[in-house]
Amino acid sequence: KAGVTQTPRYLIKTRGQQVTLSCSPISGHRSVSWYQQTPGQGLQFLFEYFSETQRNKGNFPGRFSGRQFSNSRSEMNVSTLELGDSALYLCASSYSPGPTGNEQFFGPGTRLTVL
Amino acid sequence: QQPVQSPQAVILREGEDAVINCSSSKALYSVHWYRQKHGEAPVFLMILLKGGEQKGHEKISASFNEKKQQSSLYLTASQLSYSGTYFCGTELRAGSEKLVFGKGTKLTVNP
Repeated sequence: KAGVTQTPRYLIKTRGQQVTLSCSPISGHRSVSWYQQTPGQGLQFLFEYFSETQRNKGNFPGRFSGRQFSNSRSEMNVSTLELGDSALYLCASSYSPGPTGNEQFFGPGTRLTVL
Repeated sequence: QQPVQSPQAVILREGEDAVINCSSSKALYSVHWYRQKHGEAPVFLMILLKGGEQKGHEKISASFNEKKQQSSLYLTASQLSYSGTYFCGTELRAGSEKLVFGKGTKLTVNP
């Protein structure tokens, strides 16, 4: 069974640009969650999508958005990039929505560097 | 609301034991543990739920003290493969919408 895949693995952007990251969950998983990982803050929840609907959103500005397609693949978009957006962006998939009792399977992440 | 993990880092020799703690200022419904090796994705270790239920597929021991709002991960007879950063994620109530992760505990196991 293939794992969670994320593309691209590395990105370098400049301030003010926008970026789109992609995540393909494990086959059969309909929930995709996105996290931002930085050395100072650890793993911070961005949002979760289940069956093409956003179920919950973390405390991030509106510049961070996402969507999910009918095949459960998900994208997240960051507009007007800031230096502080430099981070590893992880997506995680699970069969059911929400964390209760659910094991999440993480992808390898996309390393975003904003110059 | 972010749980506090302690210690922040620990260095062991192979075969030694370690305990990693995860403390919350709020009552918890469940605690989830993940390990992330350098340059790799976090990997699920265990879920501990209020009431004593546990779910995991790794031979790792953990406890969840609901009264103290704390969970502990016990790594005994450590192996080199145990090296990595351990994260706890906390859930305040059943059916909550998200996990809140601690900042992690970096474990290094040396030969």
